[in-house]
Amino acid sequence: GDSVTQMEGPVTLSEEAFLTINCTYTATGYPSLFWYVQYPGEGLQLLLKATKADDKGSNKGFEATYRKETTSFHLEKGSVQVSDSAVYFCASSGGSYIPTFGRGTSLIVHP
Amino acid sequence: EAGVAQSPRYKIIEKRQSVAFWCNPISGHATLYWYQQILGQGPKLLIQFQNNGVVDDSQLPKDRFSAERLKGVDSTLKIQPAKLEDSAVYLCASSLDYRDRVDYGYTFGSGTRLTVV
Repeated sequence: GDSVTQMEGPVTLSEEAFLTINCTYTATGYPSLFWYVQYPGEGLQLLLKATKADDKGSNKGFEATYRKETTSFHLEKGSVQVSDSAVYFCASSGGSYIPTFGRGTSLIVHP
Repeated sequence: EAGVAQSPRYKIIEKRQSVAFWCNPISGHATLYWYQQILGQGPKLLIQFQNNGVVDDSQLPKDRFSAERLKGVDSTLKIQPAKLEDSAVYLCASSLDYRDRVDYGYTFGSGTRLTVV
């Protein structure tokens, strides 16, 4: 079945640093790929998505590019803020419509 | 629009006790999902309803877990009897229709954090 592997956290950065959170997937066919964010005490929120190879999803300064050749969907942001501190989940969704989530990566941003 | 409502926010019970969680989806959303999120892991689907019918419950431990959505609106997830390994956050999500792709209107509630001691 589908699976998603994310880098282990926590990732600890200073404000304005560059962020990369790695994500790779295994799936049959051509899944859609997503990044969800979970702020403390809240539910998961869709951050960005890409539905086909070479698509770039972007939102709130975050970006991720669907790389079919490396089966990756790494999350990046050029300059993180304290308010970006949260847990980030990579997910893939094939024909079942139900997403398969990675374990999540905690991001801690210090002022 | 109002989001997905869940209650309670927190629950602590002893093992072998029973517990129930409640979810009210976004108005008009036909599909409702219950997920289990164990600390350090991603959410895992337990059961999916379309209106008041079950679409997928293959991952639901039916010997102790049960769920219902009798009128096709709100839903209750029950655990009886609880085990230590059931400690997790239980998330509810809803969407207009299960045939919607997950990136369309798939909204999560804040979850219920269950601790079994």
